[in-house]
Amino acid sequence: QVQLVQSGAEVKKPGASVKVSCKASGYTFTSYGISWVRQAPGQGLEWMGWISAYNGNTNYAQKLQGRVTMTTDTSTSTAYMELRSLRSDDTAVYYCAVVRGVIYYYMDVWGKGTTVTVSS
Amino acid sequence: DIQMTQSPSSVSASVGDRVTITCRASQGISSWLAWYQQKPGKAPKLLIYAASSLQSGVPSRFSGSGSGTDFTLTISSLQPEDFATYYCQQANSFLPWTFGQGTKLEIK
Repeated sequence: QVQLVQSGAEVKKPGASVKVSCKASGYTFTSYGISWVRQAPGQGLEWMGWISAYNGNTNYAQKLQGRVTMTTDTSTSTAYMELRSLRSDDTAVYYCAVVRGVIYYYMDVWGKGTTVTVSS
Repeated sequence: DIQMTQSPSSVSASVGDRVTITCRASQGISSWLAWYQQKPGKAPKLLIYAASSLQSGVPSRFSGSGSGTDFTLTISSLQPEDFATYYCQQANSFLPWTFGQGTKLEIK
């Protein structure tokens, strides 16, 4: 079955960078995109961006432009999300999700989430 | 970016009740809308895509409707496992995606 396994929890200091991985299995990795969504404690869902696993095209949320980079490694079916210049308000659970659909897109399989804590 | 506004922000209901949650987009998004359910400490779960298409495995008591700027998620007869937070999300392929702020469905 389609599954996404994310890397473990991270604790970072303000100004540092974090790179979260998301390993896919159960499908042809290059057939679908991967989206990243985060959720600060007690808050709603925030879409961060999307990457095509087929050609590497990306689409980032405007507020994160310049600080976020999404990449894929097709040889290991793994997607990565790097966030730089971390601030305390980047403390959140970070999810990856498979993006499917042809005309209408949706995220139907999600990882369990990676907790990133930014604290001095 | 397109803004998504859900109402109500929270609602109390009883098992067996019919509940409707609305989602309004700041500009037309055709049927590029999905609904997700999230329980505490868990990843979101896809319920509806393309505004009204039921995701495989989701009970038929869930339904979605609307197009353009106004959308609804309806739960026809609430079950105990339905108490959760619900999010709409616009998924226009040419624009950044955005979520609504969420609607918390609580037991009355």
